[in-house]
Amino acid sequence: QKEVEQNSGPLSVPEGAIASLNCTYSDRGSQSFFWYRQYSGKSPELIMSIYSNGDKEDGRFTAQLNKASQYVSLLIRDSQPSDSATYLCAVRIQGAQKLVFGQGTRLTINP
Amino acid sequence: GAVVSQHPSRVICKSGTSVKIECRSLDFQATTMFWYRQFPKQSLMLMATSNEGSKATYEQGVEKDKFLINHASLTLSTLTVTSAHPEDSSFYICSARVIEAMSYEQYFGPGTRLTVT
Repeated sequence: QKEVEQNSGPLSVPEGAIASLNCTYSDRGSQSFFWYRQYSGKSPELIMSIYSNGDKEDGRFTAQLNKASQYVSLLIRDSQPSDSATYLCAVRIQGAQKLVFGQGTRLTINP
Repeated sequence: GAVVSQHPSRVICKSGTSVKIECRSLDFQATTMFWYRQFPKQSLMLMATSNEGSKATYEQGVEKDKFLINHASLTLSTLTVTSAHPEDSSFYICSARVIEAMSYEQYFGPGTRLTVT
């Protein structure tokens, strides 16, 4: 079982709709969770970090964390073509400095 | 804030030569920096964790004698690819962790695209 799992996609969403990206992790002691966006040929860019159960909103982005289910998600409201990218879920396991990344979900927003 | 730079952005070198890549945190101090490699259409692969003033911690399967890492100050880490070969051609990306104790956020540099001919 991979430590951090994401559906690789591609996930296709019409412009203006809500894009929902999901991530599961295996280490129950994981404490820090991050979503990064990576455009083709570019390096990852931090979008959201979340540390406690529940929702965290930042503009059009909402991160949701459920530690009991070992599940973290990212919602993008009012999706725009510029949101088309690969979204990486990253998890910091207990006691570690490094992040473990999922394989990424490729999201395409269709005009 | 939290800007990380890398230099060079792109480098082409001949097989057998060495290449040095610099990673700098521009507006914050970073006790810990990370080096990743990414092949086309693949996810990030962590190569090593670099702590200021101490030896780097390499991930399993990464040759420490081939990928030399130096973290001499709180704002600079370098990766030297020694005796580069075509299979080392890849996108090398560094990241830096902000020093505050409770934040494990990593900010990435723009990456260095290495081509070995």
